[in-house]
Amino acid sequence: NAGVTQTPKFQVLKTGQSMTLQCAQDMNHEYMSWYRQDPGMGLRLIHYSVGAGITDQGEVPNGYNVSRSTTEDFPLRLLSAAPSQTSVYFCASSYFAGSYNEQFFGPGTRLTVL
Amino acid sequence: KQEVTQIPAALSVPEGENLVLNCSFTDSAIYNLQWFRQDPGKGLTSLLLIQSSQREQTSGRLNASLDKSSGRSTLYIAASQPGDSATYLCAVEAQGGSEKLVFGKGMKLTVNP
Repeated sequence: NAGVTQTPKFQVLKTGQSMTLQCAQDMNHEYMSWYRQDPGMGLRLIHYSVGAGITDQGEVPNGYNVSRSTTEDFPLRLLSAAPSQTSVYFCASSYFAGSYNEQFFGPGTRLTVL
Repeated sequence: KQEVTQIPAALSVPEGENLVLNCSFTDSAIYNLQWFRQDPGKGLTSLLLIQSSQREQTSGRLNASLDKSSGRSTLYIAASQPGDSATYLCAVEAQGGSEKLVFGKGMKLTVNP
């Protein structure tokens, strides 16, 4: 198993540009989520999905869109990048199976918005 | 709103010491608590998961305990090594349907040879 994979690893954008961060998992996990990690703020939930076709907002959803057309993939779209979106983005997945719900994280995407 | 706190934010110790890392949370309605390790510039690696009905979990030199009623967890690292240097994060999975993790801000551990 490759686990949770994310592409790209690094990205530099100009203000106003759009892009999609890719996330895929090969563990047949139902639950997938996106977090951003900022110094002094910890990890904060952006969006999550409990299965194909179902998504919902987390703590900091503004400026981001998601979709879940397959179990494996959960892309995160930045509609119009802003410097405040400079961050490290992590995708995570887990089984949707009650209290034993170990979450697995991807390696992250480092995004800089100029 | 669930809040998770890790104090201190950083710790520097000599090699060989036994360590206790602390994590506290404000709402005891959790499914589980998970400890992660993060190396600089890397993703999160799951170390231990304790279900809400459990008191502790062990993996090698690591032992994590959970006292849900008091909102506390500890991660015990035996005989620390320089390779243990990393940031350690705890996170609780809140009950209520979203299955989301609420993270502490982490504790940066440095083990000096």
